[in-house]
Amino acid sequence: GQNIDQPTEMTATEGAIVQINCTYQTSGFNGLFWYQQHAGEAPTFLSYNVLDGLEEKGRFSSFLSRSKGYSYLLLKELQMKDSASYLCAFMDSNYQLIWGAGTKLIIKP
Amino acid sequence: GAVVSQHPSWVICKSGTSVKIECRSLDFQATTMFWYRQFPKQSLMLMATSNEGSKATYEQGVEKDKFLINHASLTLSTLTVTSAHPEDSSFYICSAREGQGFHEQYFGPGTRLTVT
Repeated sequence: GQNIDQPTEMTATEGAIVQINCTYQTSGFNGLFWYQQHAGEAPTFLSYNVLDGLEEKGRFSSFLSRSKGYSYLLLKELQMKDSASYLCAFMDSNYQLIWGAGTKLIIKP
Repeated sequence: GAVVSQHPSWVICKSGTSVKIECRSLDFQATTMFWYRQFPKQSLMLMATSNEGSKATYEQGVEKDKFLINHASLTLSTLTVTSAHPEDSSFYICSAREGQGFHEQYFGPGTRLTVT
């Protein structure tokens, strides 16, 4: 079967670094996405990994290990505006996105 | 970048009435559009996938006679919630994809539906 799991909530301090983990299980895999979603708004695309390794994009980086079914999103130099939910999703063999429940990130001053 | 719009952004309706939500791709042709529902503090739940000119494919547990989806053109899909009930109150989000296979999904801003 398919499943995807990420922590429900995390708290971090402004200016610090936080890593949000995501584990998944699937027989067909066409990449893993991270989206940011502020309350009451639609998700916005952050990153896409299809090969193993780290993709860096400014303050945000995303890592993938296909053999371990594992990804993480790393946020550096946290800002208050980074308070949001972070959704990981993998694309299955039918090119459908299978979504995690989201991790609510709370940033404290 | 690709833009997807939704209308209305929020709507309040009375129980028993129907509500139509529009999803438009503004600067690309959307071969496939997706409709999601999101309840508070929960993740996105895919309701249905629609390809232009064909019937929508509904996910298990989603009533196709209650949630009518029309994808009549490459830039417009509509979701009609028929005979709405308070439990249908939710955040409805559409997304659009330009082609088959791997293409990024672009999300609309969402529609907040409240049924009283």
